[in-house]
Amino acid sequence: ETGVTQSPTHLIKTRGQQVTLRCSSQSGHNTVSWYQQALGQGPQFIFQYYREEENGRGNFPPRFSGLQFPNYSSELNVNALELDDSALYLCASSLEGYQETQYFGPGTRLLVL
Amino acid sequence: AQSVTQLDSHVSVSEGTPVLLRCNYSSSYSPSLFWYVQHPNKGLQLLLKYTSAATLVKGINGFEAEFKKSETSFHLTKPSAHMSDAAEYFCVGRKEGGKLIFGQGTELSVKP
Repeated sequence: ETGVTQSPTHLIKTRGQQVTLRCSSQSGHNTVSWYQQALGQGPQFIFQYYREEENGRGNFPPRFSGLQFPNYSSELNVNALELDDSALYLCASSLEGYQETQYFGPGTRLLVL
Repeated sequence: AQSVTQLDSHVSVSEGTPVLLRCNYSSSYSPSLFWYVQHPNKGLQLLLKYTSAATLVKGINGFEAEFKKSETSFHLTKPSAHMSDAAEYFCVGRKEGGKLIFGQGTELSVKP
């Protein structure tokens, strides 16, 4: 059974640029959640996708957007990057919606200069 | 609203001694609670979860946690610390809709 994978592992961007982060969910999982973990803090929920539809969103501006594909992989897009967007971005997958346990990938570390 | 509070930002123990990481939760309904561990530069790994089936929950690597409704606590324990237990630990609650609410984290140091 393949676990949750994310790409790239590290990324450096400059302020104002756009970035796309990718996540492959664990085999059989159709729900993907994204979290932002700033340095020294706990992860903060960005949004969740279930069967290709957004299924809940945290307190993040619209420039944070996402997609889920028919194979349940997912993308997180961030436009107009700001310095405060520097963080570890974590993807988690689970079975059939929100009731199941979420399994996390290793994360993508984004640095915005 | 559900929230979780980890009472210690840093805990230091000696190898072979017990570990206690404290977590309190607030909720108006029976919660789903989890403990996750994060090793440096790694993702989050599920240690254990409470979903109202039993108040004492056993997890991986010898960890366990006890749900105490009267104290609104969900403390994580381990009888004997190992060097490999050094990591950041997060107490996590789950809101309706699946949103996970993370505590602030407790950094566990294990001295030889």
